[in-house]
Amino acid sequence: GENVEQHPSTLSVQEGDSAVIKCTYSDSASNYFPWYKQELGKRPQLIIDIRSNVGEKKDQRIAVTLNKTAKHFSLHITETQPEDSAVYFCAAGSYDKVIFGPGTSLSVIP
Amino acid sequence: DSGVTQTPKHLITATGQRVTLRCSPRSGDLSVYWYQQSLDQGLQFLIQYYNGEERAKGNILERFSAQQFPDLHSELNLSSLELGDSALYFCASSGPGPSPQYFGPGTRLTVT
Repeated sequence: GENVEQHPSTLSVQEGDSAVIKCTYSDSASNYFPWYKQELGKRPQLIIDIRSNVGEKKDQRIAVTLNKTAKHFSLHITETQPEDSAVYFCAAGSYDKVIFGPGTSLSVIP
Repeated sequence: DSGVTQTPKHLITATGQRVTLRCSPRSGDLSVYWYQQSLDQGLQFLIQYYNGEERAKGNILERFSAQQFPDLHSELNLSSLELGDSALYFCASSGPGPSPQYFGPGTRLTVT
């Protein structure tokens, strides 16, 4: 069945460095790619999303890139801060379903 | 605040029992999703409803069932509970088509 892979599963970076999380999906019908951040004990919250007609989108320190041919998309966080520490989930969606990746636990070390 | 509400916030019950979790979506959202998140685990998709109809099913056990009512709120029923059912259960809602999901605060279920 369709699935979304996400790497790495854990990531530690020094404050101020960049962090990159990569996802691949299998469903060719996917055309919507959101990223969610989940802080400990809290609900997942949307941080950025991209649709298949766009290759890149940026919002301040966060950017997402999409390679539809290769079925890859990535989250880039620049100038990381301790408050970026959380679990990040990618997802791939089409009209009738959204599939989440397994998550990446990001730790930003002060 | 996402606009999605879930009750109760916490639930402690014994094995073999049955519980009902409730979710009210954001105003105007027709889609409701249910997820299970065990400790240090990802989001396991259980089921999706759209305007009262079941739209997609994930890894939902036969002991679990859900429904969406005419006022669009949804309930997840968990029966014959086992210790392994202890988890955080999230509800999310979204607008039409592929669009952002907005998550509720979750219900933490503890089965003893």
